[in-house]
Amino acid sequence: EVQLVQSGAEVKKPGESLRISCKGSGYSFTNHWITWVRQMPGKGLEWMGRIDPSDSYINYSPSFQGHVTISADKSINTAYLQWSSLKASDTAMYYCARLRSTVTMLDAFDIWGQGTMVTVSS
Amino acid sequence: EIVMTQSPATLSVSPGERATLSCRASQSVSSNLAWYQQKPGQAPRLLYGASTRATGIPARFSGSGSGTEFTLTISSLQSEDFAVYYCQQYNNWPQNFGGGTKVEIK
Repeated sequence: EVQLVQSGAEVKKPGESLRISCKGSGYSFTNHWITWVRQMPGKGLEWMGRIDPSDSYINYSPSFQGHVTISADKSINTAYLQWSSLKASDTAMYYCARLRSTVTMLDAFDIWGQGTMVTVSS
Repeated sequence: EIVMTQSPATLSVSPGERATLSCRASQSVSSNLAWYQQKPGQAPRLLYGASTRATGIPARFSGSGSGTEFTLTISSLQSEDFAVYYCQQYNNWPQNFGGGTKVEIK
């Protein structure tokens, strides 16, 4: 079964660091870009950025550039999203998703992780 | 960056009726638009991309449009179709989503 499995929910304090993960299985991990999407409580979906797991080439949305870091370890089929200093406004559900196509970036996201809820509160 | 605008924000429909959801892009995205469905407590699910239904999606869902105007039509709403629907353009990055349309039971 093709799936993305994300790490569990996190509760952190402002200023703390955090890395959440997204592990792919059932397909060739390096053949599909991975994207990260934020959903703040009761709000819509926001595209954060994407990574090519084969070479770790990354595009960030300008809205998130400098606030988060996307990375991947192809040896263990895992992509990461990390923060060096969390803020209360980072409280949200974070999803990873797989780009459907293996030959073009102009395609939709067909496999989604279950989401990781990050809560930042003092 | 491209702004995606969905309308209406909420659509009240009776089971068995037709639902028409709209998505507009601030500039042309060609046919590079996707539709996703999200139910409470679940991850989004791909319905439509590249003008074709995703694997396993029922034929009552149909997408149309190109350029800046797009439509998702649900021909006969079933109970499991009441959810929030998002469009997303993937022609340019950032690959922004629309604000969503909530389809609720009338």
